[in-house]
Amino acid sequence: QKEVEQNSGPLSVPEGAIASLNCTYSDRGSQSFFWYRQYSGKSPELIMFIYSNGDKEDGRFTAQLNKASQYVSLLIRDSQPSDSATYLCAFSGGGGYQKVTFGTGTKLQVIP
Amino acid sequence: GAVVSQHPSWVICKSGTSVKIECRSLDFQATTMFWYRQFPKQSLMLMATSNEGSKATYEQGVEKDKFLINHASLTLSTLTVTSAHPEDSSFYICSGRRGLSNGYTFGSGTRLTVV
Repeated sequence: QKEVEQNSGPLSVPEGAIASLNCTYSDRGSQSFFWYRQYSGKSPELIMFIYSNGDKEDGRFTAQLNKASQYVSLLIRDSQPSDSATYLCAFSGGGGYQKVTFGTGTKLQVIP
Repeated sequence: GAVVSQHPSWVICKSGTSVKIECRSLDFQATTMFWYRQFPKQSLMLMATSNEGSKATYEQGVEKDKFLINHASLTLSTLTVTSAHPEDSSFYICSGRRGLSNGYTFGSGTRLTVV
């Protein structure tokens, strides 16, 4: 079983719709969860960081964490063509500077 | 926010030569810096964890004598690819964290092409 599972996509949504990206992880000791956006040929950029169960909202983005079910999701409201990218889910273990494990990413396409 | 400056952004080198990649944390002190490699259409693979003032910790399968990591100060970590071969061609990215209340910040990446 992979440590982090993501559907590779592509996930296609029309402009203005809600895009829902999901990720499951296997390590119950994971404590910090991240969503990164990566454009082709570029380095990943952090979108959201969540460590408590529930929802965390930042602008058009909402991260949802459910530790009991071991999944984390990212909702993008009012999707824009500029949101088209690969979204990487990642997690790290307990405190300190623990290494981060990445999923393979979900490619999102927002259709104008 | 936290900024990690990575240079060079791209480099082409001949097979058998060495290439040094630098990562600097500009507005924070990075006790730990992570080095990743990403092949086309694949996810980031952690190569090693660089700790200031001590030896780096390498992931399984990564040759420490080939990928030399130096973390001489709290703001500078370097990765040297020694005796590079075409199969080392990849996108190399460093990452650091500014405190536990923040996510990890990535450098802009270095695209290495070995010919």
